Amino acid sequence: EPEVTQTPSHQVTQMGQEVILRCVPISNHLYFYWYRQILGQKVEFLVSFYNNEISEKSEIFDDQFSVERPDGSNFTLKIRSTKLEDSAMYFCASSAGWGRDTQYFGPGTRLTVL
Amino acid sequence: KNEVEQSPQNLTAQEGEFITINCSYSVGISALHWLQQHPGGGIVSLFMLSSGKKKHGRLIATINIQEKHSSLHITASHPRDSAVYICAGPNYGQNFVFGPGTRLSVLP
Repeated sequence: EPEVTQTPSHQVTQMGQEVILRCVPISNHLYFYWYRQILGQKVEFLVSFYNNEISEKSEIFDDQFSVERPDGSNFTLKIRSTKLEDSAMYFCASSAGWGRDTQYFGPGTRLTVL
Repeated sequence: KNEVEQSPQNLTAQEGEFITINCSYSVGISALHWLQQHPGGGIVSLFMLSSGKKKHGRLIATINIQEKHSSLHITASHPRDSAVYICAGPNYGQNFVFGPGTRLSVLP
C-alpha cells in the first residue's frame, strides 16, 4: 500500500539554525499539507500546497516558514531561523483531492530546538 | 471562530466494551474526518463523513449535519484500540481544524 514518508524521524537543532523537513507524498496525489503538533497539544494546520503553490496557510506559517516541491516527488518544509517554540512533531500529509478526500499522513518528524 | 470540540477528553474501558466518542463542530466544516493517533505519534485516517454513517470493521462513524455532531463508536473494544482519536474538518477550504483528541485506554 502506498504511504507518505518523512525524513528525518528526529531532528535536533540549535536555536537560530535553518532546518529542512522532507516528505515524499503518495505519487498520484495532488494536494500536500504540513501540520505540527506541540507536545501535549492538538494538531495544527500549517499550510496546504497545490499546483506548485501555497493554497492556504495558517497564522503560524509566518515568514520563517516556506514550502517547496523541488523535484516532483519531494515536498519540503523549511524553517529559516528556528526558535525554541518550533519544537514539535511535524506531519506531512497528501490527498488526491481536498477537503472531502482522505488525507494520508506521514509518520512525522520530531523537531527539537535547543 | 470555527472550532471542533470532543468529549470525553479521556476514556478508560474494559476489553469488550462498546465505546462512543463525540465530536461537535461549528459552522464552516463541510466534511468531518476521524483520525487515530497511535501512542508512537503516527496518524491514520479512519473515516471521512459528510452525511449518514460509515462502518469499517468494528468502527462506526455517524454524522448529523443539522446538529453539527458526529460520533465514533467502537464495538467489542480491544487493548489495541488504545490511542488518541481526533476529529477534524476542512474549514471552508483546506485549512483543517482539529479537535483536541480523546485519549482511549482499553484495559485487558
